[in-house]
Amino acid sequence: GAGVSQSPSNKVTEKGKDVELRCDPISGHTALYWYRQRLGQGLEFLIYFQGNSAPDKSGLPSDRFSAERTGESVSTLTIQRTQQEDSAVYLCASSLAPSGRTSSYEQYFGPGTRLTVT
Amino acid sequence: QQQVKQSPQSLIVQKGGISIINCAYENTAFDYFPWYQQFPGKGPALLIAIRPDVSEKKEGRFTISFNKSAKQFSLHIMDSQPGDSATYFCAASIESQGNLIFGKGTKLSVKP
Repeated sequence: GAGVSQSPSNKVTEKGKDVELRCDPISGHTALYWYRQRLGQGLEFLIYFQGNSAPDKSGLPSDRFSAERTGESVSTLTIQRTQQEDSAVYLCASSLAPSGRTSSYEQYFGPGTRLTVT
Repeated sequence: QQQVKQSPQSLIVQKGGISIINCAYENTAFDYFPWYQQFPGKGPALLIAIRPDVSEKKEGRFTISFNKSAKQFSLHIMDSQPGDSATYFCAASIESQGNLIFGKGTKLSVKP
């Protein structure tokens, strides 16, 4: 079946511009996550959506970052007034709702969007 | 505060050898410990995962060893192959909270 898809795959933008990154999760997955991966680094958690619950925004680095999710489908991550330090790969993952069954908690990642701020 | 510490940063192993990557965590509330494999230009892919109620889990050539008292877990890749060359990330989470806390990664190179 189809995996997690993200678009665009690459985005180059000028400092100060706004960008929108899109994530299409696996169909039926109610949980959706955004992570940031800087060059040569591990993944940093940004935000987590679970069904109709309020999102966990505890990882967002500043108020320039925001994300929305339409129901249990598409999500968009928006970065306003981009800065050079925002350059990174932005990864989206989805999973079935955590329910105590190990298999339901596995996070499946998309290929990422490489953002370059010049 | 780095909640999950991973070592080494890089590892070179000969084909057929054993690759060992170690992780240590601080939060005793963590109850899920996955390992991810990432090839250049791709998203991470789940390799194997363990919960703290077992000390070892094996899937093919990949084994997780878990030491709850020491708050450490490790990935062993037996009979390492050039195709295993990738970056490996350990992670930990509190299942009810959803997000994964990742280590900084280990770049593995398996020489033919």
